[in-house]
Amino acid sequence: NAGVTQTPKFRILKIGQSMTLQCTQDMNHNYMYWYRQDPGMGLKLIYYSVGAGITDKGEVPNGYNVSRSTTEDFPLRLELAAPSQTSVYFCASRTGSSYNSPLHFGNGTRLTVT
Amino acid sequence: AQTVTQSQPEMSVQEAETVTLSCTYDTSESDYYLFWYKQPPSRQMILVIRQEAYKQQNATENRFSVNFQKAAKSFSLKISDSQLGDAAMYFCAYRSAKNTGNQFYFGTGTSLTVIP
Repeated sequence: NAGVTQTPKFRILKIGQSMTLQCTQDMNHNYMYWYRQDPGMGLKLIYYSVGAGITDKGEVPNGYNVSRSTTEDFPLRLELAAPSQTSVYFCASRTGSSYNSPLHFGNGTRLTVT
Repeated sequence: AQTVTQSQPEMSVQEAETVTLSCTYDTSESDYYLFWYKQPPSRQMILVIRQEAYKQQNATENRFSVNFQKAAKSFSLKISDSQLGDAAMYFCAYRSAKNTGNQFYFGTGTSLTVIP
């Protein structure tokens, strides 16, 4: 049981490049999330999904896109990378079978845009 | 969006002593869930403890306990018998209990240093 797996761990992008951050979970969780963490700012929600085929915007969705074609996978797409997208990105999931279910996090991806 | 405030950017504690980390939140709802997460230097986010707003009893997990004051909208974390491994960033988080309450809102974190 690997939990939530994110790839890559680190990435450097040039301004204007695009990339996809991969996230997969093997816990059969319905809910999946993408957060970004900036120093002194805590975690901000980018997008989330309540199940396959359903996605919704969080607090800071601009510049990102997501898809959820399967229960397991929730990739985050960055188009036209900008320096403001330099951050640590976390994918998380939780079960819908209990009301107070916590988030289970991946190990994060450190992205630098130069 | 809900607001979660952690007013202590940094805290320190002597090994074996007790420390309390503060968290307040802003909500008009009566039912919700609160969480504390720990983020050590490894960057992994680890659940420490959780509390349901409808429960009056404060949650405890071994050396970790909370002081939940619903009327004051306060949710502090107490770490007893602090250990070197407790050194980390600690984040408080809120989630509504509504059916549509899918978002978790996080505070800005408190960096805890444990002094040997």
